[in-house]
Amino acid sequence: DGGITQSPKYLFRKEGQNVTLSCEQNLNHDAMYWYRQDPGQGLRLIYYSQIVNDFQKGDIAEGYSVSREKKESFPLTVTSAQKNPTAFYLCASSLGQGPNTEAFFGQGTRLTVV
Amino acid sequence: AQSVAQPEDQVNVAEGNPLTVKCTYSVSGNPYLFWYVQYPNRGLQFLLKYITGDNLVKGSYGFEAEFNKSQTSFHLKKPSALVSDSALYFCAVRDKDSGYSTLTFGKGTMLLVSP
Repeated sequence: DGGITQSPKYLFRKEGQNVTLSCEQNLNHDAMYWYRQDPGQGLRLIYYSQIVNDFQKGDIAEGYSVSREKKESFPLTVTSAQKNPTAFYLCASSLGQGPNTEAFFGQGTRLTVV
Repeated sequence: AQSVAQPEDQVNVAEGNPLTVKCTYSVSGNPYLFWYVQYPNRGLQFLLKYITGDNLVKGSYGFEAEFNKSQTSFHLKKPSALVSDSALYFCAVRDKDSGYSTLTFGKGTMLLVSP
């Protein structure tokens, strides 16, 4: 099956810990994205990557870090500097860099700080 | 800068009736417009997009959307709603003329279809 796989589906973190969310795609897409979803706020862009070994900050990058060492993988680390990390995190990818290409989304990871 | 507004937090409609979910946008150039649907605790699924050409775009599951440049709107429509259409709907925009830009999403509209 082609698609985007996010893991784990649910993640619990203690305050002060870093956690890494996995995102893998086998669609051969160049661009990958991380969004954060909070109730009533829609989707906000954390980081995006247009190509391997390159990534850009989105609107709410503070407290997060990413890497793009392989085309198919774009892991997101939520660091202890992120003050309010409890949210639903969505990874997406799109073919090429054309603005008319739609993004395809994974099933999400729900992170809860306990 | 680009932005999207979905003025209704929730839309209620009876099964079998037509539905409309509203979206207005703002871009400095010309827009590419998208609609996505999200079911509880799931990712977003692509429904349809407007790139150019015919202002009426047809998409998945019987949905369609009408692009209106003068009103900067891209409302999602369906002639006859189903209970299974109940979900959260997101409108998104990209600026065609500003080089590389990412998708900007609205805050979402919850559609509730009653039996």
